[in-house]
Amino acid sequence: DAKTTQPPSMDCAEGRAANLPCNHSTISGNEYVYWYRQIHSQGPQYIIHGLKNNETNEMASLIITEDRKSSTLILPHATLRDTAVYYCIVRTGGFKTIFGAGTRLFVKA
Amino acid sequence: DTGVSQDPRHKITKRGQNVTFRCDPISEHNRLYWYRQTLGQGPEFLTYFQNEAQLEKSRLLSDRFSAERPKGSFSTLEIQRTEQGDSAMYLCASSLDQGVDYGYTFGSGTRLTVV
Repeated sequence: DAKTTQPPSMDCAEGRAANLPCNHSTISGNEYVYWYRQIHSQGPQYIIHGLKNNETNEMASLIITEDRKSSTLILPHATLRDTAVYYCIVRTGGFKTIFGAGTRLFVKA
Repeated sequence: DTGVSQDPRHKITKRGQNVTFRCDPISEHNRLYWYRQTLGQGPEFLTYFQNEAQLEKSRLLSDRFSAERPKGSFSTLEIQRTEQGDSAMYLCASSLDQGVDYGYTFGSGTRLTVV
């Protein structure tokens, strides 16, 4: 599975959009980009995934660059409850998920 | 759908004792995964099952660890002769494999403390 690079931590003001970047320059053509988050003392929670098109669901939007070497997870209106560690993962569908260290997002009032 | 259930939520054991954790996945999910997580780190893959077959085991899973998923339903993870280094959160997840899966559903984990 391709490796990803994420900043270790980020801050965001409550009510503003949180834009979490992820670099995956070695991604291959059949690998998807998945995002999970983990709130303290809970198991990770699936957020969204995509192959090459931008995706949106009730939780977030996923923007994947045209060359697929990077992506951005967007939380449009961050709340204090969005404070968590966010993991960006690339993998072929059906294979195991390998987690990195993720980005610790702090949403501040 | 009650999600993925793990039992117990917390376990404190003395070094050298055996412990067993249980995971009940979402009923229609055919894949089940075990991960271990220590403080400040992302979850580390241990093993996974497709139905009752254990398809992959990480090198992290020493001979003291064994996992089963009889009848392709719930799963158990047993650690024999526990060591202090086994102290961690043990997470279970399940997914429905249809070529491309729509992400894993994780349980809340079992926190193991070996004293």
